[in-house]
Amino acid sequence: SQQGEEDPQALSIQEGENATMNCSYKTSINNLQWYRQNSGRGLVHLILIRSNEREKHSGRLRVTLDTSKKSSSLLITASRAADTASYFCAAQQTGANNLFFGTGTRLTVIP
Amino acid sequence: DAGITQSPRHKVTETGTPVTLRCHQTENHRYMYWYRQDPGHGLRLIHYSYGVKDTDKGEVSDGYSVSRSKTEDFLLTLESATSSQTSVYFCAINAGTGDFNEQFFGPGTRLTVL
Repeated sequence: SQQGEEDPQALSIQEGENATMNCSYKTSINNLQWYRQNSGRGLVHLILIRSNEREKHSGRLRVTLDTSKKSSSLLITASRAADTASYFCAAQQTGANNLFFGTGTRLTVIP
Repeated sequence: DAGITQSPRHKVTETGTPVTLRCHQTENHRYMYWYRQDPGHGLRLIHYSYGVKDTDKGEVSDGYSVSRSKTEDFLLTLESATSSQTSVYFCAINAGTGDFNEQFFGPGTRLTVL
């Protein structure tokens, strides 16, 4: 399988704290994406980082990419209870159209 | 949900019966995808389509077939449902630009095969 691996599988933090999730993948990539899924809903695209980028920001989200280590991290700063969800990384392999999704990190933010 | 609907949203069926799930989009996107989501496995690609009547297999295509006779509709068929096909099924479209595949997902169909 070319799926990514995410770490940790579950994370529980207090509101206001930062949350960091990690993703590792297996192949060379065109880009790495992060998605969010609320319980019982479809996935929502959060952010895309290209293979030639090292860091990207969007609001309270910060994504890093290390292609030499085939890894990425998603940082959510100043977390809110509404950030409670599952977060998935997805890698778009070089030369391919499809995405390969990780198994997800379940984030719980306690008010 | 970027104009993507799935029907039915919930279905319970018996082993051996045929099942068809429908994905409908309103924005004329070329690429459409069917995934299944199971605990511990994340999302796994079943089949995808890159145009009308153009489809290809994904990672877990055995036991599934697809059809796309119109741009807006992508159908997933389980010819003879098995209990291992109990899952949540998501349809997605590629709304990215250039080489970047940014996907938007439908709300999902929860299928239970008894």
